[in-house]
Amino acid sequence: NAGVTQTPKFQVLKTGQSMTLQCAQDMNHEYMSWYRQDPGMGLRLIHYSVGAGITDQGEVPNGYNVSRSTTEDFPLRLLSAAPSQTSVYFCASSRLAGGPGELFFGEGSRLTVL
Amino acid sequence: GQQVMQIPQYQHVQEGEDFTTYCNSSTTLSNIQWYKQRPGGHPVFLIQLVKSGEVKKQKRLTFQFGEAKKNSSLHITATQTTDVGTYFCAGRNNNDMRFGAGTRLTVKP
Repeated sequence: NAGVTQTPKFQVLKTGQSMTLQCAQDMNHEYMSWYRQDPGMGLRLIHYSVGAGITDQGEVPNGYNVSRSTTEDFPLRLLSAAPSQTSVYFCASSRLAGGPGELFFGEGSRLTVL
Repeated sequence: GQQVMQIPQYQHVQEGEDFTTYCNSSTTLSNIQWYKQRPGGHPVFLIQLVKSGEVKKQKRLTFQFGEAKKNSSLHITATQTTDVGTYFCAGRNNNDMRFGAGTRLTVKP
């Protein structure tokens, strides 16, 4: 049972580079989301999706793009990385029943921007 | 926008002592969830509260949801070293799940 799979686990970028964090789930969950975790600030919602073709912004969307072409995949794109985007990123998914339920998290992707 | 505040930020207890973390939202919530994250790990779901005034128990853990559905608490009785980690609340408003900053619990044997 894979659950939520994130790749890569670690990445170092230079300022201005672009990259995509991959997230895939095999539980047929409608809801998927991306969070970033910084010390003392908990988990902050970047973007979320309630189904294929539908995405919406969370509380810290600037500098990030997402798309949801399939139920299984929800990639997060950094178009021009900045040092402020150094963080641990978590993808999470859940069923939808009037809203997201129990969130299942991936193991995280640690990104460093120099 | 919706904000979820959690206190305290840190709590250090002697093994056997009790522990409580509190969560407050600036808006009324559809539900509230609690998660535990071990050091170096990812958040793991503990419980979801939906009804106003709801109280749920899981062994030594007691969870409460306020009458106004804007606050919640997690209480651990007689902490053990296995309780170490960061506890997060997450408040749901429609499809938007916002997390508190978490309470980091350390337990001295």
